[in-house]
Amino acid sequence: GAGVSQSPRYKVAKRGQDVALRCDPISGHVSLFWYQQALGQGPEFLTYFQNEAQLDKSGLPSDRFFAERPEGSVSTLKIQRTQQEDSAVYLCASSLDSGGGVYNEQFFGPGTRLTVL
Amino acid sequence: GDSVTQMEGPVTLSEEAFLTINCTYTATGYPSLFWYVQYPGEGLQLLLKATKADDKGSNKGFEATYRKETTSFHLEKGSVQVSDSAVYFCALRLTGTYKYIFGTGTRLKVLA
Repeated sequence: GAGVSQSPRYKVAKRGQDVALRCDPISGHVSLFWYQQALGQGPEFLTYFQNEAQLDKSGLPSDRFFAERPEGSVSTLKIQRTQQEDSAVYLCASSLDSGGGVYNEQFFGPGTRLTVL
Repeated sequence: GDSVTQMEGPVTLSEEAFLTINCTYTATGYPSLFWYVQYPGEGLQLLLKATKADDKGSNKGFEATYRKETTSFHLEKGSVQVSDSAVYFCALRLTGTYKYIFGTGTRLKVLA
């Protein structure tokens, strides 16, 4: 079956532009997570959705970042007025949440590599 | 704070060599431990996990044992293949949370 997909795979933006990154989770997965992976680093948590509710956004680095999941499926991470320090790979993950709840295995997408010039 | 430290790469080995990638952690609680693998152009995939002390996770010939006394979770494989070339991430997740804390990753190159 299909895994987590993300688009675009690569995005180049000029500083100050707004960008939108899309995540299609595995069908039926309740939980969705966004991570930021800077070059040479491990992924770092940004935000978490359970269905359409954003339950944790503690990892978002600034108010230029926001995420939505209006129908509890596809999610979009939006970055306004991009800065060079926003350059990173943005990973999306989803989990089923049956039985073990939100602590079930997270399945990761291939990521979107954002480069801000 | 909670953190994961893993050996820097790249690690370059010949095919059929023995692999060890070191991972140690610091955690205020009692974490579950994971190894993820990232092949070129793909997302992170769960390789193996262990949820309590002395548990051994294993998959595809890879093994790691949860050592509470040394706060370690070293990844080992007896005979690597070219297809094992990837980036390996050690991670922890504290009990009762959903956030993973990842190490910086170790790139493995296996030469034929």
